[in-house]
Amino acid sequence: GDSVTQMEGPVTLSEEAFLTINCTYTATGYPSLFWYVQYPGEGLQLLLKATKADDKGSNKGFEATYRKETTSFHLEKGSVQVSDSAVYFCALIGTSGSRLTFGEGTQLTVNP
Amino acid sequence: DTGVSQDPRHKITKRGQNVTFRCDPISEHNRLYWYRQTLGQGPEFLTYFQNEAQLEKSRLLSDRFSAERPKGSFSTLEIQRTEQGDSAMYLCASSLGGFRDTEAFFGQGTRLTVV
Repeated sequence: GDSVTQMEGPVTLSEEAFLTINCTYTATGYPSLFWYVQYPGEGLQLLLKATKADDKGSNKGFEATYRKETTSFHLEKGSVQVSDSAVYFCALIGTSGSRLTFGEGTQLTVNP
Repeated sequence: DTGVSQDPRHKITKRGQNVTFRCDPISEHNRLYWYRQTLGQGPEFLTYFQNEAQLEKSRLLSDRFSAERPKGSFSTLEIQRTEQGDSAMYLCASSLGGFRDTEAFFGQGTRLTVV
């Protein structure tokens, strides 16, 4: 079945550092890929998505590129802020189309 | 539009008791999903509705779990004879159409603790 694997966390960075959170997936066909973010005390929010190979999703300075050849969708940000502290989830929807499958989540803490 | 709301936010119950959670989706969203999230894990799919029809159920949804969405509006998730392993955050999400095409909006969740 479909699955998503994220890098082990938690991740702690200083403000303005470069961020990479790795995500790889297993799915048949051509899934759509997503990053969701969960800020403390809030519900999951869509951060960005990509629906086909080589697409780049971007939002709020975050980017991720859909790499079919490496089955990856790594999240990057060039300069993190304290306000980016949250849990980040990589997710996919397979070609069956009805449900999101999530990774385990990566806790990011950004220190001033 | 106030987003997806879930009630209660927290529930503590004794093992063996029944509990019911409510989810109010964004109005006019035809799809409603239930997920379960345990500590340190990502959300796991439980079930989803399109309007009032329950279209898919996960293997995780044992016979003790039942979900309804009467009239295609709010939804309830009931757990009968709760067990300690049911302790988790129960998340509701709604969307207008499938997740591929439109954004899913999640509620803040109901945290269940079974003691």
